[in-house]
Amino acid sequence: DAKTTQPNSMESNEEEPVHLPCNHSTISGTDYIHWYRQLPSQGPEYVIHGLTSNVNNRMASLAIAEDRKSSTLILHRATLRDAAVYYCILRVDYSGNTPLVFGKGTRLSVIA
Amino acid sequence: ETGVTQSPTHLIKTRGQQVTLRCSSQSGHNTVSWYQQALGQGPQFIFQYYREEENGRGNFPPRFSGLQFPNYSSELNVNALELDDSALYLCASSLVNRGQGETQYFGPGTRLLVL
Repeated sequence: DAKTTQPNSMESNEEEPVHLPCNHSTISGTDYIHWYRQLPSQGPEYVIHGLTSNVNNRMASLAIAEDRKSSTLILHRATLRDAAVYYCILRVDYSGNTPLVFGKGTRLSVIA
Repeated sequence: ETGVTQSPTHLIKTRGQQVTLRCSSQSGHNTVSWYQQALGQGPQFIFQYYREEENGRGNFPPRFSGLQFPNYSSELNVNALELDDSALYLCASSLVNRGQGETQYFGPGTRLLVL
């Protein structure tokens, strides 16, 4: 599986936008970019995914570089509840047979 | 709609013992995956079950085994427990239709401590 690189930690002020970067320079043409997050004492939860175009949903936006070698998860207004570990994951062909390969992720702290 | 549930929430065992962890999938899901998460690390894939058959396995020894039942609930069994098996064990369910996967929905996990 192609690997991703994320900063170990980031900090944000409450109600400010947060941009969480992810590098995936060895991404293949059929790899989808998935983001999951893990709140304290909980299992991971799905945030968003995309292939080539930028994506928006109620939780976040995903901006994908034109060469697809990097992406950015955007939280438009961070709240205390967004404090979590965020994982950027590449998943082949969006196949149900492909497990999620987690790295260490980025630990986001939100300051009130 | 009921989410993914796991039991027990916490468990303490001693080295050499055997343990069974349980997972109830989200309603309508036919696939369950198990992950092990050591402290400070991301989850690591153990194996996946699809329609009661093992359908992929990570780098874990045979003493890690599982079952999926007709109602799509699942068990993870670990024999001959070792200290390094201490971790959070996560179950994730999804609906796989014609090879196209969907989002995985995780349970809250079972925290296992091996003494």
